[in-house]
Amino acid sequence: QLRLQESGPGLVKPAETLSLTCSVSGGSFRTGSHYWGWIRQPPGKGLEWIGGIFYTGSTFYSPSLKSRVVITLDTAKNQFSLRLSSVTAADTAVFYCVRGGDSYGVEFWGQGTLVTVSS
Amino acid sequence: QSALTQPASVSGSPGQSITISCTGTSSDVGGYDYVSWYQHHPGKAPQLIIFDVSSRPSGVSPRFSGSKSGNTAFLSISGLQAEDEATYYCSSYIETNTLVVFGGGTKLTV
Repeated sequence: QLRLQESGPGLVKPAETLSLTCSVSGGSFRTGSHYWGWIRQPPGKGLEWIGGIFYTGSTFYSPSLKSRVVITLDTAKNQFSLRLSSVTAADTAVFYCVRGGDSYGVEFWGQGTLVTVSS
Repeated sequence: QSALTQPASVSGSPGQSITISCTGTSSDVGGYDYVSWYQHHPGKAPQLIIFDVSSRPSGVSPRFSGSKSGNTAFLSISGLQAEDEATYYCSSYIETNTLVVFGGGTKLTV
């Protein structure tokens, strides 16, 4: 069974860069038809798509976050990462790393990690 | 503002059936059969319950069903049970560099 696990700081200062890593185990990381992505949920709000990356390296981002987001793959380590720059309190959220299926639905979710933006 | 529009809340009594709508555009819901639905209980990761508009992953109860008409997708839950109380989200492929869009979520009260 595929397992995804987020890791990274739980507290980030305003204007700094939020960095999270997702470690993938229990399955193949090198699948061309699946994407690896990030979704967040601010407190009291709904799920928000951040972006995704295919094994080929093609990336796709939410228009509202595109200017601040970078998602990368590290195939040697079976990991993918999220960097969100110039964060504000509005970026406080539970961040999920996910794997999407052939039809773009999210089949696998990490447990989620809370990142708080505060000085 | 979410790209897909869902009602904020729905409610039903045990044993009843409910339907949740998810409205998009011809660039997402209406243009492709790539609509998914998720069940989200507080404190847990969301779970995929419908993909490709109406397909269920292995292990998901047949009480959950999906359909689509034009730019609107629907999730139906029959024989409501207390454990169905959760927030339900729809998502769809979108023909832009975004790839996926989500609805704002619908809180189901049983």
